[in-house]
Amino acid sequence: DSGVTQTPKHLITATGQRVTLRCSPRSGDLSVYWYQQSLDQGLQFLIQYYNGEERAKGNILERFSAQQFPDLHSELNLSSLELGDSALYFCASSELAGAANEQFFGPGTRLTVL
Amino acid sequence: DQQVKQNSPSLSVQEGRISILNCDYTNSMFDYFLWYKKYPAEGPTFLISISSIKDKNEDGRFTVFLNKSAKHLSLHIVPSQPGDSAVYFCAAHNTDKLIFGTGTRLQVFP
Repeated sequence: DSGVTQTPKHLITATGQRVTLRCSPRSGDLSVYWYQQSLDQGLQFLIQYYNGEERAKGNILERFSAQQFPDLHSELNLSSLELGDSALYFCASSELAGAANEQFFGPGTRLTVL
Repeated sequence: DQQVKQNSPSLSVQEGRISILNCDYTNSMFDYFLWYKKYPAEGPTFLISISSIKDKNEDGRFTVFLNKSAKHLSLHIVPSQPGDSAVYFCAAHNTDKLIFGTGTRLQVFP
């Protein structure tokens, strides 16, 4: 158990819909990262927040947005969903801001868009 | 354009033998490399890392080698154990982002 929790574990929805994925980092960790893993792909970095502020951005679509709240939990919002958005979405956390620091991953949310 | 490549999707090794997982990269600006291991239904877990100023880092049964001129790194597991069966991802760090390879599925059989 990494100490990072993600809800829900599974999500099935239809094209055009909007969903929110939630992540609670390990106690004491200030950084939260979001990754997308599509079929047979590596983890694609989406976005990082550090202590409530956006710190780094990867290949995140404009239809996707995220935020980190004062209690340090984070939410990833996916809107106007398309079939290609079906993937595993991982959240990770680390104590420090730098991405090279050890990141602790949650178990992921599997999103299926029908 | 895939900057970090793991060209072997799978590897099968007998228990007790050496497992060698390979990773190639294209960007010479990568300054840090990491290996993560992933079991089914779990998130990846950090395994070992190496700075670009070094060519080897060892931690118990795990050793990572970095060949900067070839833009190649490898993870050696000696001796391999059945519990090592998992998907292994290499990742490279640049401008505060991690770029992951597609992973190699290692199976260690008795």
